[in-house]
Amino acid sequence: SQQGEEDPQALSIQEGENATMNCSYKTSINNLQWYRQNSGRGLVHLILIRSNEREKHSGRLRVTLDTSKKSSSLLITASRAADTASYFCATDPPSRDYKLSFGAGTTVTVRA
Amino acid sequence: DTEVTQTPKHLVMGMTNKKSLKCEQHMGHRAMYWYKQKAKKPPELMFVYSYEKLSINESVPSRFSPECPNSSLLNLHLHALQPEDSALYLCASSQGKGRDGYTFGSGTRLTVV
Repeated sequence: SQQGEEDPQALSIQEGENATMNCSYKTSINNLQWYRQNSGRGLVHLILIRSNEREKHSGRLRVTLDTSKKSSSLLITASRAADTASYFCATDPPSRDYKLSFGAGTTVTVRA
Repeated sequence: DTEVTQTPKHLVMGMTNKKSLKCEQHMGHRAMYWYKQKAKKPPELMFVYSYEKLSINESVPSRFSPECPNSSLLNLHLHALQPEDSALYLCASSQGKGRDGYTFGSGTRLTVV
């Protein structure tokens, strides 16, 4: 079932600019995960942030988590054409083993 | 080896055909998953195997039949599918209950004609 809402639905930016997308969710979580999906391909795990963490970095990615607001953001800095993809947040609720809840996704287009 | 391998990459089948999708992982993960994804939508969970036993069936029609022959392999047997079953089928695996993230395969693009 879909728990997360992502905002915006679509984002178009120039190469070199930063891209920010947001994810809101409804219930408590163990962790929140971000995945990238290139057109017609599988999902690639980008980063996982646990409920007791507030910020995490991985290369050009920065993820924040605010459990009081039940929201997360993913920032991609210095975007490249290869970052063009759909990005999904997914929450791991403590009451639902094995059942990630995916958001609707944000489609990011990076223009050269 | 940190990959989940799915075969075939593309499959076209008639509504009376029987076919199988295959998934393999060698990461020692003990949970394996089948997801279905329609265009521009998030993946939807179909089945979960934990330690080679079917743990979750998300009320999937019986024309989809999963099988886990061993801890590295996961199959999805397809029979009498409908055109609306056309989708990207994704296999994934995780250590334990997935609390450290999932590894997804590249998917099988299925078209039912």
